[in-house]
Amino acid sequence: DADVTQTPRNRITKTGKRIMLECSQTKGHDRMYWYRQDPGLGLRLIYYSFDVKDINKGEISDGYSVSRQAQAKFSLSLESAIPNQTALYFCATSDGQDMRGYTFGSGTRLTVV
Amino acid sequence: AQSVTQLGSHVSVSEGALVLLRCNYSSSVPPYLFWYVQYPNQGLQLLLKYTTGATLVKGINGFEAEFKKSETSFHLTKPSAHMSDAAEYFCAVSRGGGTSYGKLTFGQGTILTVHP
Repeated sequence: DADVTQTPRNRITKTGKRIMLECSQTKGHDRMYWYRQDPGLGLRLIYYSFDVKDINKGEISDGYSVSRQAQAKFSLSLESAIPNQTALYFCATSDGQDMRGYTFGSGTRLTVV
Repeated sequence: AQSVTQLGSHVSVSEGALVLLRCNYSSSVPPYLFWYVQYPNQGLQLLLKYTTGATLVKGINGFEAEFKKSETSFHLTKPSAHMSDAAEYFCAVSRGGGTSYGKLTFGQGTILTVHP
């Protein structure tokens, strides 16, 4: 099983719908992140969480919300999806001590029509 | 604030030729620097990283990168390209400590094409 699991892998949704992307990890890491990838823009940080009670906005948090249900679970929600949220979304985890344990999930490809 | 600039969104080389992917960064504090590779339809895999110590860093698959503070650069090289190196490569920077520690800022990516 993968260390960082994202579900679903692919999703097509309609404009205005609420959608949740889920991430779970077995690394035992405290820190979890959500990034989105767009062609030509690289990856940009949406939200991050350094522990269960700590949630922080990243570079592009507008239109998104998150929930850290447990140390191992970090969900990203789009309250009312819009077409420019079509992107590849990555969850990642890291060890708080150093950067050796920065692990990415396989990604969720979201299309908003 | 941190930023990363990758020079060249597409790089094309012949098999066996030198691979050079350029990355420049800006950071107000000593940075941690990373190169990631993304193969088609896959997630990101860490190639190598610089945190402290030796400025020439060796990674997986024969890649290496050199941290040059005076040039604010962290270019990725490989002496001899292989067809399997074709992928997209991302340079990233993180602050070396403090509240921003662990947050990565990525460059826009460089797509490497390897010709037979």
